[in-house]
Amino acid sequence: AQKVTQAQTEISVVEKEDVTLDCVYETRDTTYYLFWYKQPPSGELVFLIRRNSFDEQNEISGRYSWNFQKSTSSFNFTITASQVVDSAVYFCALSTNQAGTALIFGKGTTLSVSS
Amino acid sequence: DAGVTQSPTHLIKTRGQQVTLRCSPKSGHDTVSWYQQALGQGPQFIFQYYEEEERQRGNFPDRFSGHQFPNYSSELNVNALLLGDSALYLCASSPPLAGGQETQYFGPGTRLLVL
Repeated sequence: AQKVTQAQTEISVVEKEDVTLDCVYETRDTTYYLFWYKQPPSGELVFLIRRNSFDEQNEISGRYSWNFQKSTSSFNFTITASQVVDSAVYFCALSTNQAGTALIFGKGTTLSVSS
Repeated sequence: DAGVTQSPTHLIKTRGQQVTLRCSPKSGHDTVSWYQQALGQGPQFIFQYYEEEERQRGNFPDRFSGHQFPNYSSELNVNALLLGDSALYLCASSPPLAGGQETQYFGPGTRLLVL
């Protein structure tokens, strides 16, 4: 079975704090893809990153960074020096050979950044 | 470069009615996927269309059907609406497969309310 767990339902921080959003996935496939999407109040899911199971290199993009650890089946997302504009719901998603091309989403983490 | 577009943005229907939602993919994309997102939940995969045929389907009843046109745009039809069909319906498009899972890019969604 394929599953994505985002245990943190809501996180509240003050501007300039660092925050990490957790994502734990389950799959028996050896080839799979992991994604993070951001959903602002407008509703549109904004693509942030894609990672395949063979690429465990961590990635940094500006204030965003991702830590992929196959040993713990985790793909965590860190925002450094958070800003009010980072307030949104963040979704982690999984795609596997068994699931075909469907994305399996977690329930999301609502991040609120206050000034 | 226009992103994924969806229409209408909002829709109110009554139980038992039928509804059609529309989606135009990003330029250069040939695959369209539809997702249903209930309030407070992650998106759930409905189905995916490629080359005008349903390529993959999620766990949704036959009341949910779709179509893809030669220009790659797509429609989602829902018959015999139930109160539980109230949700945000998201369309996502992806480019031609080049090996592995291509990234899906989402539109702004259609908010459907069934009374």
